[in-house]
Amino acid sequence: QQQVKQSPQSLIVQKGGISIINCAYENTAFDYFPWYQQFPGKGPALLIAIRPDVSEKKEGRFTISFNKSAKQFSLHIMDSQPGDSATYFCAASIGTSGTYKYIFGTGTRLKVLA
Amino acid sequence: NAGVTQTPKFQVLKTGQSMTLQCAQDMNHEYMSWYRQDPGMGLRLIHYSVGAGITDQGEVPNGYNVSRSTTEDFPLRLLSAAPSQTSVYFCASSSGSQGAGELFFGEGSRLTVL
Repeated sequence: QQQVKQSPQSLIVQKGGISIINCAYENTAFDYFPWYQQFPGKGPALLIAIRPDVSEKKEGRFTISFNKSAKQFSLHIMDSQPGDSATYFCAASIGTSGTYKYIFGTGTRLKVLA
Repeated sequence: NAGVTQTPKFQVLKTGQSMTLQCAQDMNHEYMSWYRQDPGMGLRLIHYSVGAGITDQGEVPNGYNVSRSTTEDFPLRLLSAAPSQTSVYFCASSSGSQGAGELFFGEGSRLTVL
């Protein structure tokens, strides 16, 4: 019940196309859903995040769509660029006994072709 | 502005050896944590700390020890290395209370156990 399932494992998109990565969760107690971007040899960095009281959040070319009833959320990258080539992790956060823990998805390796 | 600094970046150990991965942050964050990243497994929480003198176990704590004597430092100790501990290790800190909010990651320490 603590898992966050992420798909696809890898994704190849043409420059200018739309990249879509999906995540699903079971535990309705999760209350914060971030996406992290990781370039090779670097640590993950926060890209965008959403709370369950909002159905969509947009920051530039990056949009999170959140479906509370289906317990799913997705990352959309519009006008994908070669510089977006990275591994993307979804995550869900839960507060337990006053401490927050993150459960990460297994990651999606995105390659944007020039 | 260094953020989260991890040392060493690379380490090779023999089975049974012990070592310490160092993590330091200069953002005055109370919350610090250690993750391991393995192919197809995402990021898994090893140990975390909500302040100096306070540590707790995460999802995969076996074989690892931590301590938190200062706000800045959170070392991870491998007591008797095993090949199953071959992984990339990330230290992360959070400005949020009790770990809520954005995680700031170091650049990782790649450990190989022969």
